[in-house]
Amino acid sequence: KAGVTQTPRYLIKTRGQQVTLSCSPISGHRSVSWYQQTPGQGLQFLFEYFSETQRNKGNFPGRFSGRQFSNSRSEMNVSTLELGDSALYLCASSLVGRGANNEQFFGPGTRLTVL
Amino acid sequence: LAKTTQPISMDSYEGQEVNITCSHNNIATNDYITWYQQFPSQGPRFIIQGYKTKVTNEVASLFIPADRKSSTLSLPRVSLSDTAVYYCLVVVNTGGFKTIFGAGTRLFVKA
Repeated sequence: KAGVTQTPRYLIKTRGQQVTLSCSPISGHRSVSWYQQTPGQGLQFLFEYFSETQRNKGNFPGRFSGRQFSNSRSEMNVSTLELGDSALYLCASSLVGRGANNEQFFGPGTRLTVL
Repeated sequence: LAKTTQPISMDSYEGQEVNITCSHNNIATNDYITWYQQFPSQGPRFIIQGYKTKVTNEVASLFIPADRKSSTLSLPRVSLSDTAVYYCLVVVNTGGFKTIFGAGTRLFVKA
């Protein structure tokens, strides 16, 4: 079974631009979560989608948004990029996200550099 | 949401058992305790999850006392390839994920 895939793997943007990152979950998984990882802040939860609806949200500004499609694929968008948005963005998928054994499977991440 | 606290780093030698303790003082009734492992330039990988007492799988054991305010991940007979960052987190079981990762424990296994 194929794992979680994220595209692109690397991205370089300049301040003020916007960026869209894509995540394809494991087949059959309906929950997709996004995380930002930086050396200073560690792994921080952005949001989680389930059946095309945002179910949970972390403490990030409105410049960070996401969506999920009917095939469970998800995208996240960051508008008006700032230098501090440089990070590794990780996507994780899970079967349903409820109860025990709600293991999340992480993708390799997209490394975003903002210049 | 429950915040977790764990040691910043630990050193060990090959073949030893490693125990990493995590505190989560304000864990709620519905919360599960989960541990992940992360290697450089990779996403975290699930190790083990538990609610109370002891859970064991093919790679680790998780010990959770009755008050659930802490938990201990036990890695038996570590090898060099176990050098990684280990995260303890609490997963809210009320539908969906809203997880808080702590700073993690950087385990360095020496030959």
